[in-house]
Amino acid sequence: GENVEQHPSTLSVQEGDSAVIKCTYSDSASNYFPWYKQELGKRPQLIIDIRSNVGEKKDQRIAVTLNKTAKHFSLHITETQPEDSAVYFCAASIYGGYNKLIFGAGTRLAVHP
Amino acid sequence: EAQVTQNPRYLITVTGKKLTVTCSQNMNHEYMSWYRQDPGLGLRQIYYSMNVEVTDKGDVPEGYKVSRKEKRNFPLILESPSPNQTSLYFCASSLSAKNIQYFGAGTRLSVL
Repeated sequence: GENVEQHPSTLSVQEGDSAVIKCTYSDSASNYFPWYKQELGKRPQLIIDIRSNVGEKKDQRIAVTLNKTAKHFSLHITETQPEDSAVYFCAASIYGGYNKLIFGAGTRLAVHP
Repeated sequence: EAQVTQNPRYLITVTGKKLTVTCSQNMNHEYMSWYRQDPGLGLRQIYYSMNVEVTDKGDVPEGYKVSRKEKRNFPLILESPSPNQTSLYFCASSLSAKNIQYFGAGTRLSVL
């Protein structure tokens, strides 16, 4: 079945630095890749997503890149701020199908002032 | 306000005592899903529902049941809870299988 691996499991950066989280998926039919942010004690919330017909997508300080050949996608956060501290989850799904999301194990990002 | 509501938020129970966690959404979403979140394992799908009376297993369905008699409600049933079902549970819904999923606030379950 589909599997999503996420690295690193923890990431510590200084405020203002960039943070990169990488995910690899196993099912080549996957074509929808959302990223969720979960702050401590709160629910996961979608921050950005990308579909397989696009190689990169940006939203202010957040960007996601997709390499379909290599079956990996990455989240890039620039100019990190303390409020970016959270657990980030990547996921993969077969868009247009039954929307079964397979999540990575999560990355705990800590941004130090 | 558009939301996904789970109840209870916290639950402590004992092995074998049947329990139900309710999930309700007020957005007229067709698709609903249950996940469990465990440290180091991320979110794993338990069951999902494409619409009323249409449900299917996710990745970790063992020990759980669901029903979808009404569009807004998707309860998760543990007929005979065991300690390995101690976890944080999230319900999610989306307009259809092609749309963004919105999560409830979570239910923290402890089975002693």
